[in-house]
Amino acid sequence: GQQVMQIPQYQHVQEGEDFTTYCNSSTTLSNIQWYKQRPGGHPVFLIQLVKSGEVKKQKRLTFQFGEAKKNSSLHITATQTTDVGTYFCAGNSGGYQKVTFGIGTKLQVIP
Amino acid sequence: KAGVTQTPRYLIKTRGQQVTLSCSPISGHRSVSWYQQTPGQGLQFLFEYFSETQRNKGNFPGRFSGRQFSNSRSEMNVSTLELGDSALYLCASSPNRGQVNEQFFGPGTRLTVL
Repeated sequence: GQQVMQIPQYQHVQEGEDFTTYCNSSTTLSNIQWYKQRPGGHPVFLIQLVKSGEVKKQKRLTFQFGEAKKNSSLHITATQTTDVGTYFCAGNSGGYQKVTFGIGTKLQVIP
Repeated sequence: KAGVTQTPRYLIKTRGQQVTLSCSPISGHRSVSWYQQTPGQGLQFLFEYFSETQRNKGNFPGRFSGRQFSNSRSEMNVSTLELGDSALYLCASSPNRGQVNEQFFGPGTRLTVL
């Protein structure tokens, strides 16, 4: 079955440093979504990427979808304490809602 | 619009018992998915329902089952509970229209099996 690998699992950064998490799928994806889960909370949708090579920005967050539609990354510039949480990628390789989540990257920001 | 609601929020059961969890999606959302979240395994897909039909199923044993009602509310049942079933069970609804199939998650039901 489809597998989505996500690295790193944990990342500690000093406030102001950049942060990147990577996802790699074993199969070609139709789209990939990114979610953020704050400690004690539930996952909240950030963005969906559909097109090969797509790049989308949300303020300090940059999302990329690889040319082969098998990998993706989320980059945060100049992290802030409000960025703390676990970031998940979720790959969709079929129709409908058959989504496979990565293990998540837990980000800690040291003030 | 009200968000996704899940009941109960916390549940303690013993091995061998069964449990039913409930999820009310956002009004107008016809797709409801269930996930199991544990620290070691992350978010694992259980199943997805759309218009009362199970469209997709993850790799969980038959002890895990679900259903969806005509008002899109969904229930998940776990029979013969095992210690390893202790987890946060998350429900997510989606409008499932157009290209963006964003999922809206509920707060989850934390199940502890003793």
